[in-house]
Amino acid sequence: DAGVTQSPTHLIKTRGQQVTLRCSPKSGHDTVSWYQQALGQGPQFIFQYYEEEERQRGNFPDRFSGHQFPNYSSELNVNALLLGDSALYLCASSPGYGVKDTQYFGPGTRLTVL
Amino acid sequence: AQTVTQSQPEMSVQEAETVTLSCTYDTSESDYYLFWYKQPPSRQMILVIRQEAYKQQNATENRFSVNFQKAAKSFSLKISDSQLGDAAMYFCAYYLYSGGGADGLTFGKGTHLIIQP
Repeated sequence: DAGVTQSPTHLIKTRGQQVTLRCSPKSGHDTVSWYQQALGQGPQFIFQYYEEEERQRGNFPDRFSGHQFPNYSSELNVNALLLGDSALYLCASSPGYGVKDTQYFGPGTRLTVL
Repeated sequence: AQTVTQSQPEMSVQEAETVTLSCTYDTSESDYYLFWYKQPPSRQMILVIRQEAYKQQNATENRFSVNFQKAAKSFSLKISDSQLGDAAMYFCAYYLYSGGGADGLTFGKGTHLIIQP
């Protein structure tokens, strides 16, 4: 049973560029959440997708956008990259929106903005 | 806004000893979940244990147990018989169930647990 997978593992971009990160949820899960973890900090919630729609959003600017596909996989897009966007980006999946259940995390994508 | 506070940036314990990690949270809600996640150097966030706020009984998973004090808004993690593989960052997290759906997890800043051989 495959867990949550993310690609790529590492990514280096320059300021002003755009980036797309990808996530495949755990088998049987249809809800995907994205988190940003700055160095030495706990993860911060970006947004959550269910049925191909953004359902919940944390305190992040519109430069952060996402998408969910019919197979439940998801993408996180960040436009106009800033140095402060350098972080570990974590994807988590859970079985069903509105269901009280645990989120399972992927290994993350390390984004470095130069 | 909900907040989660972990007051111990770093803890050190001898192998086979017991260690307790502290966590407090602030919420006015009554229906929520609390979690402890472990993040080793590999970066993968691994669920250690979870507690549902409406359950008075403290959760236990093998060597890991919690002390959940709802009135005090305290949720500490006890690790018994510490092993070298327990060395990691430990994050306390709060999960609000808001009826129409669940908001994202709110995490504390983490506690770095060092296991001395």
